[in-house]
Amino acid sequence: DIQMTQSPSSLSASVGDRVTITCRASQGISKYLAWFQQKPGKAPKSLIYATSNLQSGVPSNFSGSGSGTEFTLTISSLQPDDLATYYCQQYNTFPPTFGGGTKVEMK
Amino acid sequence: QVQLVESGGGVVQPGGSLRLSCVVSGFNFSTYGMFWARQAPGKGLEWVAFIHYDGGRKYYADSVKGRFTISRDNSKNTLYLQMNSLRVEDMAVYYCAKSGGWDLWRFDIWGQGTMITVSS
Repeated sequence: DIQMTQSPSSLSASVGDRVTITCRASQGISKYLAWFQQKPGKAPKSLIYATSNLQSGVPSNFSGSGSGTEFTLTISSLQPDDLATYYCQQYNTFPPTFGGGTKVEMK
Repeated sequence: QVQLVESGGGVVQPGGSLRLSCVVSGFNFSTYGMFWARQAPGKGLEWVAFIHYDGGRKYYADSVKGRFTISRDNSKNTLYLQMNSLRVEDMAVYYCAKSGGWDLWRFDIWGQGTMITVSS
C-alpha cells in the first residue's frame, strides 16, 4: 500500500496567515491526489482533486500543487471558518489511502 | 443537490452484527462506484470497502475482509454494509461516499456518517 505522510500533524496560525500543509507519498502517484476538509463532528468535504483542481464552491484562497511524491495544500489567507483537520488521499493505486491529517487551529 | 444519508448505526456487543444503509439522491447512483469508510474516535480516515457501479466487483480492506460485505440496490438508490463478527476495533463513525467517476479510487462526496459502538 502507498503510505501518505502529512506534515505538520497540527499547526496554530492567525487570521490572515498563509498556511501550507505537505503530503508525501511513499511512491509516485502522478497527479492523483485529493484534499479534504473535516470540521469537528462533521463529514469530510472534498476541496481539491487531481492535485490542484478546486471543487465547485471552494474558496479561491485554497490551492494545491505538487506531483509525483510531494504535494502541498495552501491556504493563502487563513479565515476563522478554515479551522478544521485536513486530509490528503491518493487515488493513483488501489487501495486508496489517506494521510494522517493536519489539524489547523487559531492562534 | 447530491445527498448521501447513512443509517443503521448503534450499539452492538463484540461478535454481533449490524447492517448499514446509505440512501443517495441527486446523482445517477447506478453509474458510480461507491465506498464505505470509517473513522475511529479521534483518529484518521480509513477506507473499508468499495463496490463497482453494477455491483460486479467488490474490494475490502484487509481489516474487514471476510467479516464485512458491501452491496447495493440500484433500483432503490441504496448502498449497504453488512458487518458481522464485530470487534471493539471496528468502533467508528462509518461514512458512505461516492467515487469520483473515472477516478475510481477517489473519494468525492461523503454522507454525514453513522456511529457504531462495539461494547459489552
